[in-house]
Amino acid sequence: GDSVTQTEGLVTLTEGLPVMLNCTYQTIYSNPFLFWYVQHLNESPRLLLKSFTDNKRTEHQGFHATLHKSSSSFHLQKSSAQLSDSALYYCALSDMGYKLTFGTGTSLLVDP
Amino acid sequence: AQTIHQWPVAEIKAVGSPLSLGCTIKGKSSPNLYWYWQATGGTLQQLFYSITVGQVESVVQLNLSASRPKDDQFILSTEKLLLSHSGFYLCAWSLGGASAETLYFGSGTRLTVL
Repeated sequence: GDSVTQTEGLVTLTEGLPVMLNCTYQTIYSNPFLFWYVQHLNESPRLLLKSFTDNKRTEHQGFHATLHKSSSSFHLQKSSAQLSDSALYYCALSDMGYKLTFGTGTSLLVDP
Repeated sequence: AQTIHQWPVAEIKAVGSPLSLGCTIKGKSSPNLYWYWQATGGTLQQLFYSITVGQVESVVQLNLSASRPKDDQFILSTEKLLLSHSGFYLCAWSLGGASAETLYFGSGTRLTVL
């Protein structure tokens, strides 16, 4: 079945430094949809960005990600971290049906 | 604007007792509806989805059941709770079509089974 791997459980960095959260996936589908959801403390997850186009950069709220089918990756990046970016980030994969598979999540902690 | 309401906000239940959690979506007809479970410190696990009234598909077996008695209502239940059922339950909806659409989550129900 489908799977999503987020290798970092916790990322801690200083405000102003760049952010990169890793996401790789496995699927039999040739045209998967990839998502990043963000969950702040005591809140529900909400969509950050999504993509299904190979090698096209997708941006939202200062974050960006590029789907690379050749490497089955969809890493999340931001040029400069802010304190308010501290949250739990989930990468997710859609089978184009009604199933969405989430990774284990990466907690991002931004220190002043 | 669409709104999603989950109830109750939190529950503390005994092992072996029954459970019923609810979710109502307003402002959108015939949405796709989903139940997700998030164990403490764990990932989001999809439990059920429904694309129409009266039809529910199970994604994983966790001794839980779901029903969609109305177009805007989704119910999660079990007759006998297990300790492993503790966690955060999230209802979500998406526009008609594939799950390639954005999921909009409710505020969740925190369940503690003792």
